[in-house]
Amino acid sequence: NAGVTQTPKFQVLKTGQSMTLQCAQDMNHNSMYWYRQDPGMGLRLIYYSASEGTTDKGEVPNGYNVSRLNKREFSLRLESAAPSPTSVYFCASSGSGAVEAFFGQGTRLTVV
Amino acid sequence: AQSVTQLGSHVSVSEGALVLLRCNYSSSVPPYLFWYVQYPNQGLQLLLKYTSAATLVKGINGFEAEFKKSETSFHLTKPSAHMSDAAEYFCAVTGEGGSYIPTFGRGTSLIVHP
Repeated sequence: NAGVTQTPKFQVLKTGQSMTLQCAQDMNHNSMYWYRQDPGMGLRLIYYSASEGTTDKGEVPNGYNVSRLNKREFSLRLESAAPSPTSVYFCASSGSGAVEAFFGQGTRLTVV
Repeated sequence: AQSVTQLGSHVSVSEGALVLLRCNYSSSVPPYLFWYVQYPNQGLQLLLKYTSAATLVKGINGFEAEFKKSETSFHLTKPSAHMSDAAEYFCAVTGEGGSYIPTFGRGTSLIVHP
């Protein structure tokens, strides 16, 4: 029962460096999401993919790119890290209709 | 656009006391509403969901929530807090535009004192 798997779990970057986060789900879900969590800000949607081959911007897409590689995998690339308190990136997936989202364990990003 | 407001970034209760976490939503269509819980250094997991069936929804770990359309609310309650309930709780809404993308509130941190 793997569910949603994210890698890596932790990431430390220097200002200006880039990173790619990987996400895979084994529940045959059509929809996949990337959220970021910052202290006091809740979860904000970066990008989402409603189905294989499609991606759309969310609330905070600037500085990011995504790729829906196939139905299982959805990667997120941060182009240039900026100094900020530790943020956490979550990948999630959901099936069709009004159903709940399933979340990965998160990637904790520190930019120094 | 759909949105969620969670009143109180922190709620502190004593063990055994009533837990009440507040959530108000805004949506142009009948909403679908969710409560998720996040334990330290973990991802979010579903506590309960409302999808237009019974307005009183029971979830895991003794939590329940009541959908009140007239008040646009979906407050989370538990009669008796346990130390293990200490976590971050998120309310989420979906359904607007037919896309079912979850929109989350800012979260409420539940602190349970012995």
